[in-house]
Amino acid sequence: EVQLVESGGGLVQPGGSLRLSCAASGFTFSSYWMSWVRQAPGKGLEWVANIKQDGSEKYYVDSVKGRFTISRDNAKNSLYLQMNSLRAEDTAVYYCARIFRAPDYWGQGTLVTVSS
Amino acid sequence: SYELTQPPSVSVSPGQTARITCSGDALPKKYAYWYQQKSGQAPVLVIYEDSKRPSGIPERFSGSSSGTMATLTISGAQVEDEADYYCYSTDSSGNLGVFGGGTKLTVL
Repeated sequence: EVQLVESGGGLVQPGGSLRLSCAASGFTFSSYWMSWVRQAPGKGLEWVANIKQDGSEKYYVDSVKGRFTISRDNAKNSLYLQMNSLRAEDTAVYYCARIFRAPDYWGQGTLVTVSS
Repeated sequence: SYELTQPPSVSVSPGQTARITCSGDALPKKYAYWYQQKSGQAPVLVIYEDSKRPSGIPERFSGSSSGTMATLTISGAQVEDEADYYCYSTDSSGNLGVFGGGTKLTVL
């Protein structure tokens, strides 16, 4: 059974940093692109970033370029999102998702709140 | 930046057919995917590659695509189908993902 479990969310002040993690199981993690998707409170889904199987390609939505970094550790079956220079508009539930041409399996999400 | 456009809301009575549209300039060349999200839950893939249904998704869910518009059809909508529905695709490069704004389906 495919499982994705996010962690690392919490309350952070504007300008601060946070690192999200996603632990994957039930599939061959190193064979799949992976993604982060977020959802602000009461709003729609927003694609944030993708990373290739070996980490050699990474793509970001314009609003997080230069501030967020997606990475992975295939030996640990883990996906990460390093978030720096956080803004109030980054407040959202962040989902980790496996990509098979599109996000097919999703975690339950972790809430990030950016507020003073 | 690339955008996908969905109607904010669709309302049908139980047993009727619900149709949710998604328009985007790259859809003639890129597949559309559809997700169902119920309140407080993670999204669930209900249609992939325009018209294919994952295992476990009821047959009343179907998808189609023509030109710059993709359509999710729920034939004989049921109360339990009430949810937010999102389309997803990529830009013309295939590297950047994008979701539509979401459509709230009401069945009552």
